Amino acid sequence: KNQVEQSPQSLIILEGKNCTLQCNYTVSPFSNLRWYKQDTGRGPVSLTIMTFSENTKSNGRYTATLDADTKQSSLHITASQLSDSASYICVVNPNQAGTALIFGKGTTLSVSS
Amino acid sequence: GAGVSQSPSNKVTEKGKDVELRCDPISGHTALYWYRQSLGQGLEFLIYFQGNSAPDKSGLPSDRFSAERTGGSVSTLTIQRTQQEDSAVYLCASSFAGTGAPRTEAFFGQGTRLTVV
Repeated sequence: KNQVEQSPQSLIILEGKNCTLQCNYTVSPFSNLRWYKQDTGRGPVSLTIMTFSENTKSNGRYTATLDADTKQSSLHITASQLSDSASYICVVNPNQAGTALIFGKGTTLSVSS
Repeated sequence: GAGVSQSPSNKVTEKGKDVELRCDPISGHTALYWYRQSLGQGLEFLIYFQGNSAPDKSGLPSDRFSAERTGGSVSTLTIQRTQQEDSAVYLCASSFAGTGAPRTEAFFGQGTRLTVV
């Protein structure tokens, strides 16, 4: 069964610290993986996308990695800011037409001062 | 439209009443998704449309929930005889093609906050 599991479910860190969020998936065949950020009260917005041939992708202080062999992805946030407080959702796109995108349940990050 | 539009943005209803939530996807997007997000919880998949058909409706929690999509565009999610546990934010997303396209991105609406009192 195609699944996307994220960990931890929630995380609290101090402003300025780094953190890493994990995403494990069992989707096969696999086309690409996106990380979304969802601010409170808003819809999720795409941060990064990686296809199976890409190992890393950066977007400012956000760096996503992908290991297609172990089916794992991580999102690393450097020098966290209060505005990073949000839910981060991992979404896998199966390489199979007519099959839905598969969403993880997300990690809720709280950055405190 | 420029983005995914959902209406209403907020809905308060009495327990037992029926509600209809509307989603206007981005023009040309063939795939449409409905999700539910309860307070402090992650996204809960409800139903996926490809065009007007729903190949995956496995997430609908009960037969009180139904959804349709007409003209490959607008979708409505209907909840009959609402219960307090139905209170949540209902999010709609749309994308090109659904899957297989290498850079498919799902665009989300702002959601409908449903409160059942």
